[in-house]
Amino acid sequence: QLQLVESGGGVVQPGESLRLSCAASGFTFSNFGIHWVRQAPGKGLEWVMFISYDGITKNYEDSMRGRLSISRDNSRNTLSLQMNALTPDDTAVYYCAKSGSSNYYIDVWGKGTAVTVSS
Amino acid sequence: QSVLTQPPSVSAAPGQKVTISCSGSTSNIGNSYVSWYQQLPGTAPKLLIYDNYKRPSGIPARFSGSKSGTSATLGITGLQTGDEADYYCGTWDFSLSGVVFGGGTKLTVL
Repeated sequence: QLQLVESGGGVVQPGESLRLSCAASGFTFSNFGIHWVRQAPGKGLEWVMFISYDGITKNYEDSMRGRLSISRDNSRNTLSLQMNALTPDDTAVYYCAKSGSSNYYIDVWGKGTAVTVSS
Repeated sequence: QSVLTQPPSVSAAPGQKVTISCSGSTSNIGNSYVSWYQQLPGTAPKLLIYDNYKRPSGIPARFSGSKSGTSATLGITGLQTGDEADYYCGTWDFSLSGVVFGGGTKLTVL
């Protein structure tokens, strides 16, 4: 079945970097855009960024623009998100999520990977 | 402060109907499609409604969506205790060039 599996979360200190990965299965990965959405403890959903099916179009949430680098490998059905200069405000569960038939909504979510930024 | 505004909580008795509102602007809801997500405690969100009113396969007809102008509404009929969850609306914002979500509404089935 359609599945997205995130990995790479963990505990880091403020100012450090972290690379998250997302592995897809059960659908034609190269046909769909991918979103990252995060959720801080006890808070709501916050969209982080989007990468188009071909990796050409990338959209970022303003507070994270300049600190993120994303790439996708359609031959391996994987995606990688590099996050730099992390702050405690970046502490959250990060979800990899598949676009639906349009990029305006998400039809499949991963289970998420937890990132904690703390000294 | 979320771009889309939802009530923090709603409640109703089992078997009853509840609606959850989502208010935005012309840069988002007014010129885009609205989706709704259900997040059960401790789990990832799940798509309930997309393109304002469409239901993915497997979502019961008890769940419905509508949009008018810059607002949208999720309706749930025949409430069950298993519907207790957080519900989020989402859409694309053309000014921000990204997806925006509401702050979420906690549904309690009394």
